Amino acid sequence: DQQVKQNSPSLSVQEGRISILNCDYTNSMFDYFLWYKKYPAEGPTFLISISSIKDKNEDGRFTVFLNKSAKHLSLHIVPSQPGDSAVYFCAASDPTGSGTYKYIFGTGTRLKVLA
Amino acid sequence: EPEVTQTPSHQVTQMGQEVILRCVPISNHLYFYWYRQILGQKVEFLVSFYNNEISEKSEIFDDQFSVERPDGSNFTLKIRSTKLEDSAMYFCASCFEGHYNEQFFGPGTRLTVL
Repeated sequence: DQQVKQNSPSLSVQEGRISILNCDYTNSMFDYFLWYKKYPAEGPTFLISISSIKDKNEDGRFTVFLNKSAKHLSLHIVPSQPGDSAVYFCAASDPTGSGTYKYIFGTGTRLKVLA
Repeated sequence: EPEVTQTPSHQVTQMGQEVILRCVPISNHLYFYWYRQILGQKVEFLVSFYNNEISEKSEIFDDQFSVERPDGSNFTLKIRSTKLEDSAMYFCASCFEGHYNEQFFGPGTRLTVL
């Protein structure tokens, strides 16, 4: 049961261009979404988040867009830099259960930024 | 900058043995989590812990698993009798509150069960 899906396992982008990573979810109860970046042999590192009351959140080169009706979010990185090469995970904070808001992760997209 | 730490970085064990994975969450954080990532798969929630008790656990977190906060700083995950399929990266995470604050993840412990 994949509640959070990242359909592109990998993406290659030229340095300086825009990287667009996509994520779809199925559970309309999710109301908070996050993007994490992960380098090999390290834990996931928080990148940016968005609440469902917004449709866009921007932080420097990173912008996350949320389309609630389509249950879709995307992460835009512009301009892309070689140091952005990593695996990017989309996560939804699940408000059901006990209230400790576990994260439901997607399978990740490996971004490679070519110099 | 405060960070979540985990030890050991790599643990190799024989099937059927007990292992304890250790985590030191960020001080002043109140919520603690364990996640795991089997090689090539997504990161999966195992258990959340708040106020010295388990708040929620996934179906993966069966009777072979237990968590403990033995003192004010450590948070441990014990697997009583390891199986081959327990081989994975185990990530500890912590945050101030459960929702509108991001969880901070540790670097992970790679568990290899032979």
